[in-house]
Amino acid sequence: RKEVEQDPGPFNVPEGATVAFNCTYSNSASQSFFWYRQDCRKEPKLLMSVYSSGNEDGRFTAQLNRASQYISLLIRDSKLSDSATYLCVVNRWGDYKLSFGAGTTVTVRA
Amino acid sequence: GAGVSQSPSNKVTEKGKDVELRCDPISGHTALYWYRQSLGQGLEFLIYFQGNSAPDKSGLPSDRFSAERTGGSVSTLTIQRTQQEDSAVYLCASSDRTSGINEQFFGPGTRLTVL
Repeated sequence: RKEVEQDPGPFNVPEGATVAFNCTYSNSASQSFFWYRQDCRKEPKLLMSVYSSGNEDGRFTAQLNRASQYISLLIRDSKLSDSATYLCVVNRWGDYKLSFGAGTTVTVRA
Repeated sequence: GAGVSQSPSNKVTEKGKDVELRCDPISGHTALYWYRQSLGQGLEFLIYFQGNSAPDKSGLPSDRFSAERTGGSVSTLTIQRTQQEDSAVYLCASSDRTSGINEQFFGPGTRLTVL
């Protein structure tokens, strides 16, 4: 079983819609969680860290459910520029290795 | 401030040749990582440097791959006798591990094509 699993999508949504997707992780010792976005043929860029209580950054909301070992990302009022692959990343406290999911592709259409 | 830089951005080489890829991390970041991403695949960890400690080379796929980091800053990833399966995007990342939160920042990558 992969350490981090994501629904590959694609999620095709119209502009202005809300889209949400999850990521599950297998290692209960995981302590730090991140969402990165990766545009086609570009490097991954940190979108947001995910905190225990959940956190929001503008139109993006991340939630963490430790009991069920999943992380979610919700995008409100989708923009065309939100079209990208979203990578779920987990890390054990003090461990330098990040474990990356294969990504969820989101396409926002006009 | 300046982010992670990598060079070259693209490299086309012939099978059997050696290549060197360079990474310049964010100033002050003590940790440096190399990853590989093949087309449509997730990121594959290759090697990790932290300060002056011995690097973790556990992700290197074969002994044709090596990396060094001089003076705790710039790193070079070398692939000897390149094979077609080495074709991928090689990404470098750096982080400031003093906070305990391992947020890694990536460079633009080197796209390697082995003919």
